[in-house]
Amino acid sequence: AQKVTQAQTEISVVEKEDVTLDCVYETRDTTYYLFWYKQPPSGELVFLIRRNSFDEQNEISGRYSWNFQKSTSSFNFTITASQVVDSAVYFCALSEAEAGGTSYGKLTFGQGTILTVHP
Amino acid sequence: DSGVTQTPKHLITATGQRVTLRCSPRSGDLSVYWYQQSLDQGLQFLIQYYNGEERAKGNILERFSAQQFPDLHSELNLSSLELGDSALYFCASSVGEESRPDQPQHFGDGTRLSIL
Repeated sequence: AQKVTQAQTEISVVEKEDVTLDCVYETRDTTYYLFWYKQPPSGELVFLIRRNSFDEQNEISGRYSWNFQKSTSSFNFTITASQVVDSAVYFCALSEAEAGGTSYGKLTFGQGTILTVHP
Repeated sequence: DSGVTQTPKHLITATGQRVTLRCSPRSGDLSVYWYQQSLDQGLQFLIQYYNGEERAKGNILERFSAQQFPDLHSELNLSSLELGDSALYFCASSVGEESRPDQPQHFGDGTRLSIL
């Protein structure tokens, strides 16, 4: 069975600090997809990024960057120069890709990390 | 705006009652997913429909059922409600002719269900 673990329940930083959110996953599939979602205080879930299991190239998008390491089954998310508006719950999620399986397409979420950025 | 519409935004009802949550997917999306978010269980997958047919089931209670209609909107029916069913229910949809796990699911704003 697939599993996603976000060991950090809550993180508190001061504005302009860099912060890294950890995500470790378990899956028996060789092909899978990893996602990060953001849930601001207003409650909606916002898609941030997707990464394929066969593409370990790290990615930077503005102040966001993602570090995918298959060898350690980790997909960490870093926010550089954090801002108050980054305060939210961040979820890491896993989707398996084996066609015909009962879990095809569904997302397995971690428990989420509550990030609070203080001014 | 994700393009996924969920109604109602809030629902307050009593134990033993039945409610229906509605979801309209993004234009062009054929797959609809339902998730439940509660404090003790986190975000849990309930059920998935693709083009009108049930595709996958998660930890969905027998008291819960769903369907997807020909116009692709979906409804989640919750019956014999219990206090523990109080949660935020999300609908998500994904793009493509067939549900593909690499396609991001875009979520609606959720329906907050409170059981009194």
